This record gives sequence, C-alpha cells and structure tokens, in this order.
Amino acid sequence: GAVVSQHPSWVICKSGTSVKIECRSLDFQATTMFWYRQFPKQSLMLMATSNEGSKATYEQGVEKDKFLINHASLTLSTLTVTSAHPEDSSFYICSARDPPAESTDTQYFGPGTRLTVL
Amino acid sequence: AQKVTQAQTEISVVEKEDVTLDCVYETRDTTYYLFWYKQPPSGELVFLIRRNSFDEQNEISGRYSWNFQKSTSSFNFTITASQVVDSAVYFCALSEANAGGTSYGKLTFGQGTILTVHP
Repeated sequence: GAVVSQHPSWVICKSGTSVKIECRSLDFQATTMFWYRQFPKQSLMLMATSNEGSKATYEQGVEKDKFLINHASLTLSTLTVTSAHPEDSSFYICSARDPPAESTDTQYFGPGTRLTVL
Repeated sequence: AQKVTQAQTEISVVEKEDVTLDCVYETRDTTYYLFWYKQPPSGELVFLIRRNSFDEQNEISGRYSWNFQKSTSSFNFTITASQVVDSAVYFCALSEANAGGTSYGKLTFGQGTILTVHP
C-alpha cells in the first residue's frame, strides 16, 4: 500500500519557538492532505485540510495564524506550530489522499509526530 | 453535523474471549463511509475496514468481523478469539460524501475504545 511519512517523529522545544512538521506521500501524489491532533488518551481531531497550491481550510476553533499549513507540492505538506506553548504539546498526525481513489476515500496515515513544548 | 460515539471507553478481556466494540454514528447525509482503525502503543493508525453507506453486508476478515446496521446507525466490530496482540485503542470514524459517492475526505473519529487482552 501507499506510504506516508512524517518528520520528525518526535520533537521537544522551548516555549515560544516554532516547530515545523513535514508530511510526505512517498509513492503517490496527494492533492489533499489532512492534519489531525490527538491529545493523550483522547480521540483524533481534524485541524485542517491542506490542498496543493491553495490555502488550507481550517476547522472551527483552530487558529490559522498559529498552525501554518503549506502544501507546496503534490507530495509534501508542512505544519508549522508558531510560538509554541505547553498546551500545544500533542500528537500530530497527517493523512494523504490518493487521488484516483477519491471516490472510495482511500486515506493513508503518517506515523505521527509527538510534540512536547517545555 | 456528524458524530461518532463509542460508548465503551475501556474493555478488558482474557485471551481467547470474543469481544465486540460498539460504534454508533450520526449524519444527515445519505452517502457516507464508515471506518475502523487500530492504534497500537506506537501511535500509528492501522486501517482495518471501510464500508460505504449502501453496502450493509456484514464482513469477516479472519478473526475480525463487522456488523453494519443502518436502521440503528451502528457499525460494530467483533474480534473472535482475542489475542494479546489485539491490545490497542480502536477508533470508529465517519466520512461524509456527496451524492455521487465522492467522500469529502474529512474523518470524524469516535472517542476510541481501549482494548486490553490479558494472557
């Protein structure tokens, strides 16, 4: 099956710094990628939909100026957590959609990135 | 708005027992997709099944089986003869679609059920 990678797999940063997380589709082109956040022992919550070549669509309650998403190519989407604070500590997971299979919604999930803000 | 409810927060069973994980969903759309994912301690989501709203046939895959009932808006998952390796968090999810069957892609997840299988 298709593979989606995320980098880094974990990151620890100081409060106030910015952190960039990459999501790559390794063997297919993804016009659409999704970013989810998962707090400990909780469910996954969709943060935003990332579309190649256009602005991301954010879910209600997600600060677009804090979580910057860029989908500059068909295989790469990045999520930048700006001025991170301890409450941003979470597990961030991306998924990528394989265009030919859009009618059946085949999504492939990355392994996730664990962010800890001190 | 769509909603997925997994009422069972945690389930604990002994190996070889059968276990059923419940999932109830809400959506206004007539076309949608339902999913089950497994999340082991490593965190990576493992896809188990996708079912579209027009296919109510039950499905069996090895020790796994799924029961989809539109009348009760439920999509339950049964593991037969559970094993320790089945211990994980299991998520049920829903994706709405347009009339042509193309999913919007956004997944709404249930709260998850923590399954612990003891040897």
